[in-house]
Amino acid sequence: GNSVTQMEGPVTLSEEAFLTINCTYTATGYPSLFWYVQYPGEGLQLLLKATKADDKGSNKGFEATYRKETTSFHLEKGSVQVSDSAVYFCALEETSGSRLTFGEGTQLTVNP
Amino acid sequence: DAEITQSPRHKITETGRQVTLACHQTWNHNNMFWYRQDLGHGLRLIHYSYGVQDTNKGEVSDGYSVSRSNTEDLPLTLESAASSQTSVYFCASSAQASGADTQYFGPGTRLTVL
Repeated sequence: GNSVTQMEGPVTLSEEAFLTINCTYTATGYPSLFWYVQYPGEGLQLLLKATKADDKGSNKGFEATYRKETTSFHLEKGSVQVSDSAVYFCALEETSGSRLTFGEGTQLTVNP
Repeated sequence: DAEITQSPRHKITETGRQVTLACHQTWNHNNMFWYRQDLGHGLRLIHYSYGVQDTNKGEVSDGYSVSRSNTEDLPLTLESAASSQTSVYFCASSAQASGADTQYFGPGTRLTVL
């Protein structure tokens, strides 16, 4: 079956540091890949997505590239802010049916 | 503005009781989903629906049921609550059946089963 593996957290960084959160997946076919973010006390919201190999999703300074050869979709940001503190979830959508499979989530804390 | 709401936001119940969590969306989306969020597991799919009168089991459906009588609502029922069902529950909706469509999430319901 499908699965998503994220780097273990929590991750603590200082403001303006470089961020990488690793995500690898196992899937049949050609899934779409997503990063969702959950701010404290809220539901998840879409951060970015990519639908095919070599696509790069980007939003709010975050980027992730769909790498089929390494089955990865790592999230990066060049300079994090305190307001980026949240839980980040990597997810994949099966090629049919719109159901999402989520990773475990990675808690990010950015200190001033 | 369109939105997705859940009620109650917090619920404490006792083992063996029936509990229903409400989910209401005004996006007019066909697809609706229920997830539970637990530490170390991320979000896991409980049930989902692609339209009125359509319901399907997800990864962790045992002990849960849903019904879809209209487009806007997908209530989640715990038939006989168990302590293992203590969790945070999220409802989500999306417009299309496939094609990397964005899922929009509600604010969540924190359920405690004593």
